[in-house]
Amino acid sequence: QVQLVQSGAEVKKPGASVKVSCKASGYIFTNFGITWVRQAPGQGLEWMGGISTYNGNTNYAQKLQGRVTMTTDTSTSTGYMELRSLTSDDTAVYYCARPYACSSYSCSLDHWGQGTLVTVSS
Amino acid sequence: IQMTQSPSTVSAAVGDRVTITCRASQSISSWLAWYQQKPGKAPRLLIYKASTLENGVPSRFSGSGSGTEFTLTISSLQADDFATYYCQQYSGFSQTFGQGTKVEIK
Repeated sequence: QVQLVQSGAEVKKPGASVKVSCKASGYIFTNFGITWVRQAPGQGLEWMGGISTYNGNTNYAQKLQGRVTMTTDTSTSTGYMELRSLTSDDTAVYYCARPYACSSYSCSLDHWGQGTLVTVSS
Repeated sequence: IQMTQSPSTVSAAVGDRVTITCRASQSISSWLAWYQQKPGKAPRLLIYKASTLENGVPSRFSGSGSGTEFTLTISSLQADDFATYYCQQYSGFSQTFGQGTKVEIK
């Protein structure tokens, strides 16, 4: 069955960077991209961006441009999301998800990782 | 594209019919999905392309609409349905979610 398993919780100081991993199984990794979504405590869902596992093309949310980098390792079927220059506003649960049933530009998300809590605190 | 859900909270009893609305700031055709999220869990896809039920989702869930106005209907609310529901537009390069609607026990 399709599974996305994320790395564990992180605590970071302001100004630091964090890198979250998302290991996929149960499907052909390069047939689907990876999308990243975050959720601040008690808040709604925020799309961060996505990456094609086929050619590495990325599409980032404008507000995160310059601070976020998404990559993949096809040899291990793993996606990565790195966020730099962290502030307390970046405290959130970070999810990876598999795109599904797409328009010409974007997709719904049919399978999700379990989430990774990133806490930014001095 | 901004997505606005209403109401923010709905109080309902088991067996009630519940309708949640999602409005887009511009036309998104039928590129809309609905998700259910329970506390401490990842979202679950319920409906995509405005009205297509995802595999395994109970038939009491239905979606309708196109353009800028969409609805999610739960025909007979069950105990397992108390959760927060989000709409998501995926029409453009940037996706956006609604702010969420919490369905709570009356």
